[in-house]
Amino acid sequence: EAQVTQNPRYLITVTGKKLTVTCSQNMNHEYMSWYRQDPGLGLRQIYYSMNVEVTDKGDVPEGYKVSRKEKRNFPLILESPSPNQTSLYFCASSFRGQTEAFFGQGTRLTVV
Amino acid sequence: GENVEQHPSTLSVQEGDSAVIKCTYSDSASNYFPWYKQELGKGPQLIIDIRSNVGEKKDQRIAVTLNKTAKHFSLHITETQPEDSAVYFCAATFSGSARQLTFGSGTQLTVLP
Repeated sequence: EAQVTQNPRYLITVTGKKLTVTCSQNMNHEYMSWYRQDPGLGLRQIYYSMNVEVTDKGDVPEGYKVSRKEKRNFPLILESPSPNQTSLYFCASSFRGQTEAFFGQGTRLTVV
Repeated sequence: GENVEQHPSTLSVQEGDSAVIKCTYSDSASNYFPWYKQELGKGPQLIIDIRSNVGEKKDQRIAVTLNKTAKHFSLHITETQPEDSAVYFCAATFSGSARQLTFGSGTQLTVLP
């Protein structure tokens, strides 16, 4: 089954404790992105990647890091989480930029 | 960069009525406009998309219209059903963009039985 898998689905952590949210897709897609979803703000892009070892900042990259060492994986790293990073996070992949984007189930992160 | 505005933020309709959600975009280079539906607890899923070389596209009860001159596009849902209740997002991007999509702020559609 074609899918984008994120882990964990739910996470509560404390300020400053490094964490990683994993994302994996099995569709051999070149494009991958991370978004955060906040009430009234829609989906805002954090980072995106066109291919292995090619990443770039989206609209809200501050406080986040990503890596793309393999085509299928695109982890999101929060080196020192802060409460304003409490949000619902989605990973998405697509064959190209103008084709259907497939989303993961989301990761609800709470930073206390 | 691209900016997409979406209205209304909430919309309630009676079952069987039509629903219309509107979006405007800022970048005249944008030429791909998808609509996503997000059900509770799930990630967004594509329901319909349109490219700038056409003005309208239909898929059963769902249609999208595009006005390139005015830089706006709309989602039309006819004969609404309770299972249409969800959050709907419009988005825009352009050829050659590596950024995937710029999304609107979303519309919570509630279909009342």
